[in-house]
Amino acid sequence: QVQLVQSGAEVKKPGASVKVSCKASGYTFTDHYIHWFRLAPGQAFEWMGWISPNSDDINYAAKFQGRVTLTRDTSTSTAYMDLSRLRSDDTAVYYCARVAVTGLPHFVYWGQGTLVTVSS
Amino acid sequence: EIVMTQSPATLSVSPGDRATLSCRASQRVSSNLAWYQQKPGQPPRLLIYDVSTRATGIPGRFSGSGSGTEFTLTISGLQSEDFAIYYCKEYNNWPPFTFGGGTKVEIK
Repeated sequence: QVQLVQSGAEVKKPGASVKVSCKASGYTFTDHYIHWFRLAPGQAFEWMGWISPNSDDINYAAKFQGRVTLTRDTSTSTAYMDLSRLRSDDTAVYYCARVAVTGLPHFVYWGQGTLVTVSS
Repeated sequence: EIVMTQSPATLSVSPGDRATLSCRASQRVSSNLAWYQQKPGQPPRLLIYDVSTRATGIPGRFSGSGSGTEFTLTISGLQSEDFAIYYCKEYNNWPPFTFGGGTKVEIK
């Protein structure tokens, strides 16, 4: 079965960076894009961006452009989300996700979420 | 930028009753509207897409309707496992995707 397993919770100071990993299994990693979302306390879900199977198509949401970097390592079937210049309002649960069918934006498979806390 | 507004923020319902959740888009999104359910400590679960199509494995008590800018998720005969937060999401001209702020369905 398809599984996306994310790295553990992180506590960071303002101005630092955080890198969250998302290890995929149960399917051919290079067949599907990986998307990243976050849910901050009291806020709506936010889409952060996507990365294609061979990393030649990376798309960042305008809000995160310049601060987020998405990468993937096909040798370990792992995707990464790197967020820099952290602020307190970046405190959120970060999720990786995959659609069920390529091209249709319906997210059926999700990681368990990674809590990132930004605090001085 | 499309803004998705959900109402009410909290809905108190007794088990067995019907729950009606609303989602309004600031501009027309055609039929590009989905609903997700999220329980504490879990990721979201896709319930409905294209306004009214249930995702695989979703029971028939969940139904979606609407068009244009006004959408509704109806849960008929609420069961204990249905108490959760529900989010609508538009995907007209994606990316990006825009979510509503959520409706919490709690036990009355």
